[in-house]
Amino acid sequence: ETGVTQSPTHLIKTRGQQVTLRCSSQSGHNTVSWYQQALGQGPQFIFQYYREEENGRGNFPPRFSGLQFPNYSSELNVNALELDDSALYLCASSLGAGGNNEQFFGPGTRLTVL
Amino acid sequence: AQSVAQPEDQVNVAEGNPLTVKCTYSVSGNPYLFWYVQYPNRGLQFLLKYITGDNLVKGSYGFEAEFNKSQTSFHLKKPSALVSDSALYFCAVRKLSGNTPLVFGKGTRLSVIA
Repeated sequence: ETGVTQSPTHLIKTRGQQVTLRCSSQSGHNTVSWYQQALGQGPQFIFQYYREEENGRGNFPPRFSGLQFPNYSSELNVNALELDDSALYLCASSLGAGGNNEQFFGPGTRLTVL
Repeated sequence: AQSVAQPEDQVNVAEGNPLTVKCTYSVSGNPYLFWYVQYPNRGLQFLLKYITGDNLVKGSYGFEAEFNKSQTSFHLKKPSALVSDSALYFCAVRKLSGNTPLVFGKGTRLSVIA
């Protein structure tokens, strides 16, 4: 097991609602990346935070937003939920933002949008 | 843009036989290549990575992968499969230079039959 934790484990929301997912990074890691894994697909990069600043973003609309706190934990916020937002949301922490840094993944939050 | 192809959705192998899970990639410039494994209801677990150096990379649980630049491949291998190796395997790539996201393939489900 990695030291990355995510909460909650499961979440059920309805269309149009807003949701906040949380991630605690592994000790000493200053970079957090968020991914969306739809059923039967590989994880897709949402965005990355490095030392509290957004440091890269994938092809996701602005209603997907995030924060990173001084202790390097992070939140993913999704507004105006759509049915297609149903997925496993993974966060990963790493020692730095560089490409050679191994990412350690948390167990994920499964979001169901009805 | 980077991309990863895992041409097989499912690989079946008998316990004790060698296994190969295929991965090809596309990236401009030199790549960082990774293999991750995902067990049911769990996050992704790092297996191994290629950055530079020896083309044969050894990782966790007896897995290894061979980087082939001319064929742009990074196939995952294990000499003798175990039933406990049954899981979902993901290949991922990111560019060596710059701050680019980790791009995953769709995954290959490995089933090891006793």
